[in-house]
Formats: sequence, structure tokens, C-alpha cells
Amino acid sequence: GNSVTQMEGPVTLSEEAFLTINCTYTATGYPSLFWYVQYPGEGLQLLLKATKADDKGSNKGFEATYRKETTSFHLEKGSVQVSDSAVYFCALLSGNTGKLIFGQGTTLQVKP
Amino acid sequence: DAGVIQSPRHEVTEMGQEVTLRCKPISGHNSLFWYRQTMMRGLELLIYFNNNVPIDDSGMPEDRFSAKMPNASFSTLKIQPSEPRDSAVYFCASSLGTGGGGNTEAFFGQGTRLTVV
Repeated sequence: GNSVTQMEGPVTLSEEAFLTINCTYTATGYPSLFWYVQYPGEGLQLLLKATKADDKGSNKGFEATYRKETTSFHLEKGSVQVSDSAVYFCALLSGNTGKLIFGQGTTLQVKP
Repeated sequence: DAGVIQSPRHEVTEMGQEVTLRCKPISGHNSLFWYRQTMMRGLELLIYFNNNVPIDDSGMPEDRFSAKMPNASFSTLKIQPSEPRDSAVYFCASSLGTGGGGNTEAFFGQGTRLTVV
């Protein structure tokens, strides 16, 4: 079945450091891919998305490229801020079934 | 639109009691998802509906859990009887469609924090 795997957390970085959070997926067909962010005590918010191979999603300095050849959708940011501290979820929406499933989440802690 | 609305925000109940969580999706959305979030298991998809019909309930942990969507603007998740291991944050989300490569992002409610003592 479809699945999403993220790198283990927590990830701890200093402000202005470069961020990469790895995400790989297993899916049949042509899924859409998403990154969601969850701040403490809140629900999940969409950060960025990509709906087909080679698409690049970007928002708030974050970006991720849909790589079908490596079945990956890694999240990157060139310079993180303390306010980026949150839990990040990679997600897959199956085009066949409409099922939206998430990876286990990666906690990011950015220190001043 | 006010977004996805869940109620209650917090629920504390005793073991064995019935618990009902409620969700109002965004108007016009035809897919609705229920998730459970815990530290141990992360974010688990319990069930999802398309056009008010349950499509996949394979994530529902056991028969104590049931979900309904009587119309396009309302869904419930019921636990009867509740147990301490059901303690978690339950999220409802809605989206416009069922994939097919479209821009069908899901919008989440604020969640219901359930504590069963």
C-alpha cells in the first residue's frame, strides 16, 4: 500500500542554518505530495505542495521538489529562523483512492 | 469561511463512557478525514468519507469506534465505551476532491484533545 517515510527527529539547528528534512514515499499511480506544518497546540497547516513529477513547491522560504525517479520530496530551507520551530509532516494523496496519509512527522527546533 | 470546525476542543471523560466528537467541514468540500495523533504512533488516518460515504475505514482501531456523516456539513466520531488508551488529539480535515492529480489539499480543524481517565 501507499506509505510515507520521514527522517527521524528531533532536528536541532542554529538560526540561519540550512535545513533538510528527508521524505520518501511508496505509491501506485501518480500521487500529489504535500508538506504540512504543525505549531504547538494547533492543527496542521499546508506549507507547500506538488502535484506532478519535477514540480517544485515553495512557500515562506521552504521548497521541495517532486522526484519520481527517487520517490522523494525532501523539504529544504536556506536559512531557518526560531519561528520555524514546529513539527513538519510529509503527506501523500493517492490519485486512485483519494486517501491522504502522513509520515510520522519531524520535530524541528531552531535555537537563537 | 471559518474553516473546519471541531467540537469540543477538550474532552475529559471516565473510562467506559461514550464520547462523541464533532466536525463541520468547509462548505463545498466533499472529502472528510478523521485522524488521531499520539506521541507513540504519530498521525493515523482513521476513516475518510467522499460525498458523505465512508470510503476507507481500515484505520479504525476497533469496533468501539464509529463514524458517521449524515450530510455534507456534519460528521461525528464516536467511541463507546472509551478507554484510557484512546487518549489523543483527534483531527478532522476536509478537501475539495479525491485526488487525480488535482490541487486537493486538506484543511485541518484545531483538533479535539481527548483524555480518558
